[in-house]
Amino acid sequence: GIQVEQSPPDLILQEGANSTLRCNFSDSVNNLQWFHQNPWGQLINLFYIPSGTKQNGRLSATTVATERYSLLYISSSQTTDSGVYFCAVTVSGSARQLTFGSGTQLTVLP
Amino acid sequence: ETGVTQSPTHLIKTRGQQVTLRCSSQSGHNTVSWYQQALGQGPQFIFQYYREEENGRGNFPPRFSGLQFPNYSSELNVNALELDDSALYLCASSLGNGQGTSSGNTIYFGEGSWLTVV
Repeated sequence: GIQVEQSPPDLILQEGANSTLRCNFSDSVNNLQWFHQNPWGQLINLFYIPSGTKQNGRLSATTVATERYSLLYISSSQTTDSGVYFCAVTVSGSARQLTFGSGTQLTVLP
Repeated sequence: ETGVTQSPTHLIKTRGQQVTLRCSSQSGHNTVSWYQQALGQGPQFIFQYYREEENGRGNFPPRFSGLQFPNYSSELNVNALELDDSALYLCASSLGNGQGTSSGNTIYFGEGSWLTVV
């Protein structure tokens, strides 16, 4: 099955700093989503981005499907950005399941 | 707010018991998937339901079973609970076509049910 690798596994930032999270995947995908999981377990959709670039406030994401990676950018980080960020994909022929990476644990210090 | 609701939010069960978790999908969504998330790991796909039929299954034993109802809500049942079943169980809702989530459609998750088996 498809492999999804995220880096870095852990990231500690000072409030106001910028960061880039990376997601590599081993096969062509027809769906790629970035999620933020808060401390209570809720997975919040950030982006649906199988290709191209999107921006939403301080967050933006880019997926280069031909090179099989996606990047999530967080600018001017805030303490509320803390949590685990997951990249998840589906592949053609197996669109029923999302395959998740292992996540990036982000801690933003005040 | 994703429009996907799960219950109960927390529960404690004894090894060997059975548990039922419930999920109401987002309005207009016909596909419900269940995921298990162990501590420190990413969610793992259990199975998916589309129009009341199981429509795909991950690497989970038959004691994990489910139902989907005509209103597209769903239940996850786990029999003969084991200690390793302790996890966060997440329900995901989407608009599908029987082949999974339709292209261009986002998958939305509920807040999850925390299950502890002692």
